[in-house]
Order: sequence, then C-alpha cells, then structure tokens
Amino acid sequence: QSALTQPPSASGSPGQSVTISCTGTSSDVGGYNYVSWYQQHPGKVPKLMIYEVSKRPSGVPDRFSGSKSGNTASLTVSGLQAEDEADYYCSSYAGSIPFVFGTGTKVTVL
Amino acid sequence: QVQLQESGPGLVKPLGTLSLTCAVSGDSISSSHWWSWVRQPPGKGLEWIGEIYESGSTNYNPSLKSRVTILVDKSKNQFSLKLSSVTAADTAVYYCATSPGQYYFDYWGQGTLVTVSS
Repeated sequence: QSALTQPPSASGSPGQSVTISCTGTSSDVGGYNYVSWYQQHPGKVPKLMIYEVSKRPSGVPDRFSGSKSGNTASLTVSGLQAEDEADYYCSSYAGSIPFVFGTGTKVTVL
Repeated sequence: QVQLQESGPGLVKPLGTLSLTCAVSGDSISSSHWWSWVRQPPGKGLEWIGEIYESGSTNYNPSLKSRVTILVDKSKNQFSLKLSSVTAADTAVYYCATSPGQYYFDYWGQGTLVTVSS
C-alpha cells in the first residue's frame, strides 16, 4: 500500500484560500468516505482538522473544509491566517489497512 | 478528555528491540476505541504502524508486520509496542493515538523520540 500523494508545498497570502489535494486509488480514497486531515506545526503533535471527508471536530474553525471527488480528496483553507502555516497530512481508510497517510504538504502564508 | 503518554528508552542499539508503552488516562482502554502507534522520522511524514482493540485484536502495517507486536494491558490501562531488529531507519518520533472506529485519530500522545544507534 503506497502513501497517498500530496503536493509538497502550497502557499497563499493572508485572507486568500489554499487547496491541498490528496490522491489515492479506488482501494483507499475512492473506495471509502473515511478521509481525514491533520495539521502539524513544527515540533508539535498532529491535530485532527477534518474527518469522514468533510466533518469538522468541535473547535476547528469553519475556514477549514474538506471534499472528495473520485480518488482525490481536498482540504481547503479559506481566509488564510498566519497560524495556518503548518504541515498538513491526509489519511484514508484502505480496507485491510485502516490507515494510509499522505506524503504531506507544507502550507506557507506569504 | 483522553490523555495519552508514551514512555520508553530513547536510545536503542541496532538489531535490538524497541519497546514503548502508552498510558491512557481519562478513558478506559476497554472503551470502544482502537489504539494505535504512528511514527514520524525526523523531517519526514507520518507512518501508521499498527493498532489494537481492547479484545486484543490487532492490525499491522504490512511493511512492518514481521517485526511489530502491539499488546494491551487492561489492568494498567495501557498498551505497548515492540519493534524488533531495528535499524537507523527506525529512528523516529513515535506517537500513540486513539481512533473511534478505525477511521481517524482524535487524540494523540505528545510523542517520544527513539534513536537507533550504537
């Protein structure tokens, strides 16, 4: 089972939107509505931002949204803020393998 | 609020066995959750190692399956990881985490750095 594919980097100016893709296969992203997204600041613990494709845990700003089309899931951060600068990882259920992570995307706020 | 705390040696010799424990507080390890180990090599991405249910049922990452054992100790409300025949490639921050239903991680430990070196 290979890691899900994410772009290495993405960037945007404060107030703008940035969208990160997470591409898998029909055996993982495309086959289940169990994609989650994690934010990780340098030296910190990953934090759940989105689960089950588009659901937000309590306390996560509604500037964060998730979606999926076919084998590709996406995380959109609207109204970028300085504190959104971090690494983001997607993860998907893959049947016999409960968790497959993405390669990670570094988001830079310009 | 669930709290997870990893503990174990920070240095392991090559070809030795890495052993970590994750203490669970704020919830019973017998609740309907799966308990996982995730690792992150320095400067790299996240890798799921494996998980265990309170019944003892386990699932492992196929890439590590031959070297991994995850056990649960209900009496101590904790679970553990053993990774055998370690090499420098196993140097990483090791996190324990919990997931309701195997679909996402809602709570994570603070992580512990394990270095494989002689």
